Order: sequence, then structure tokens, then C-alpha cells
Amino acid sequence: QKEVEQDPGPLSVPEGAIVSLNCTYSNSAFQYFMWYRQYSRKGPELLMYTYSSGNKEDGRFTAQVDKSSKYISLFIRDSQPSDSATYLCAMSGDKLIFGTGTRLQVFP
Amino acid sequence: NAGVTQTPKFQVLKTGQSMTLQCAQDMNHEYMSWYRQDPGMGLRLIHYSVGAGITDQGEVPNGYNVSRSTTEDFPLRLLSAAPSQTSVYFCASSYSSARGSGNTIYFGEGSWLTVV
Repeated sequence: QKEVEQDPGPLSVPEGAIVSLNCTYSNSAFQYFMWYRQYSRKGPELLMYTYSSGNKEDGRFTAQVDKSSKYISLFIRDSQPSDSATYLCAMSGDKLIFGTGTRLQVFP
Repeated sequence: NAGVTQTPKFQVLKTGQSMTLQCAQDMNHEYMSWYRQDPGMGLRLIHYSVGAGITDQGEVPNGYNVSRSTTEDFPLRLLSAAPSQTSVYFCASSYSSARGSGNTIYFGEGSWLTVV
């Protein structure tokens, strides 16, 4: 069993939809939870970062961490075609692990 | 401010050939690393460096070699290319280790390597 599990998708939604991306993990030592966005043929770039449990909002993006369930989510409101990318979760504690990524496509 | 620059972008190698992927950063970061990204496997750490003259192995180091003679540069050498090394390679840098912290990792744009 992988320490971090992420559904690869693809997830295809219409413009304006609310998108929910998720990761589960098994390592209780993870304290820092990140979401990276990766456009096609590009390197990942940090989108959101959360420490421990709770929510964090940045514009149309909300990151949510539930340490009791070992579950993290990224919500995208009013999704745009420019949000089409692969979203990688990443977790850090005693080690740094990246999820395999979920490919999101937002169509006009 | 270019960030992390990798070259080449694309490369085809024959089995047994050697090559070097170049990486440079202009953010004065101490911590640099190399990852490979494969379908269904995520980003896996190959080698990393915590400063000039200091390198260490990551999760998948076999078949690769690194050196860090300056803060800016961190080349990755494939010693004798194998088809299993066909992958996308990302160089990355951060102010300090992202392990045990939420430090932002800055990635290069990637190098697509095919070994035939």
C-alpha cells in the first residue's frame, strides 16, 4: 500500500463547476500538506500549503486537511479552462512524499 | 530571475550511452534535488544536495551520479543508460529541505529522456 494515494483521473468538468480533488495517506508523521499544480510539459509549482488540520482559502482555491481521517482535499470554485492541469498532493513530516497526481480538464 | 533552468529539454539515448542533465538555479538556494516522474509512480527522489560539496542518495539513486561544486549548479549523470531510465526528470531547489517542513520547492521545466 502506498503511503499517499491519489486518484489519477482524468476528471472532466464544465467551466464554472466546483472541483474536488483528494488524497489519502497512512503516515501519521505528516504535518505539512501541499498541493502542486503541473501544466502539460511543465514542472510542478506550489499552489497551496497547509500546516496540520484545518482549512486554508486562497481566491477560488480551498485546501482542507482532516488528520483524524488522514484525508486532504483541494476545492476549486468557479473552475476555468486555465485550471486544466495535473494536481499533485504532497505531504511532509519524517519524509516528503508526492501523490501520483490527478489530471483535471475543464471544458468551456 | 530565471528560477531553475534545466537542459536539455528532450534527449534520446542508446542503451549504454552516458549523458549529463544540467541544472542551475539563481535563487541562492542551499537545497537542490533531482526527481524522476513516471506514470502511476509520482515524483521519486533520485539524489539531493544540502549545499556545495554535499550530496546524498534519495529513493531511486541506482544508475545516477551527482556532484555539487557550486551553490548554483547540480548536474545529474546517467552512467550507462538503460531503458528503465526512460522518464521525465525534474531538477528542484528550495531554501532548505522540504522534508519536515512546508518549504516551497521550485521545479525546473523538466527533461524528457528516452533510452532505446
